[in-house]
Amino acid sequence: GAVVSQHPSRVICKSGTSVKIECRSLDFQATTMFWYRQFPKQSLMLMATSNEGSKATYEQGVEKDKFLINHASLTLSTLTVTSAHPEDSSFYICSARDQWTQYFGPGTRLLVL
Amino acid sequence: KQEVTQIPAALSVPEGENLVLNCSFTDSAIYNLQWFRQDPGKGLTSLLLIQSSQREQTSGRLNASLDKSSGRSTLYIAASQPGDSATYLCAVHMDSNYQLIWGAGTKLIIKP
Repeated sequence: GAVVSQHPSRVICKSGTSVKIECRSLDFQATTMFWYRQFPKQSLMLMATSNEGSKATYEQGVEKDKFLINHASLTLSTLTVTSAHPEDSSFYICSARDQWTQYFGPGTRLLVL
Repeated sequence: KQEVTQIPAALSVPEGENLVLNCSFTDSAIYNLQWFRQDPGKGLTSLLLIQSSQREQTSGRLNASLDKSSGRSTLYIAASQPGDSATYLCAVHMDSNYQLIWGAGTKLIIKP
């Protein structure tokens, strides 16, 4: 079945640094990828939808200059958390979509000190 | 605006019991509904997908039902095992929208 990978699986960084998270669809081409964030004991929240070769669409309340999304190919999307702060500590999950199904990555745990 | 609610938020039962998790949604015009499992600190595993035209789907000890008109879905777990302990999330996919709309999940603990 389709597999989506994320790298890294967990990252600890200092406040003010930038962190890049990669999301790859391993055996299918994904024209659309999604980035979700999940705070402890809360549901997943969609951050943005990215289509290959075009700018991402951000959900209300998500700062596009802080969460940079690049979807340069049909198998790779990246999320860069710029100037990360402790409140950005969260679990970030990407998903990649083929025609009608979303496949989810294993998630990336970000801890900003 | 579609809203998805899961009740209860947490559930603890002894091993071997059959149990039901509930999911309700406010807008019945869904394309499909999915049940997921999330283990602590990990990503999501898709369990069952029910298309809007279907009434139920089964996989092993899991059975998911869908009643669009009443805006409800249930996930039935038979003969629960400690390994079933996880958070179970339901999400709906609307007809003209790519995003999934998520419930907050039910945290399930199966006691040995």
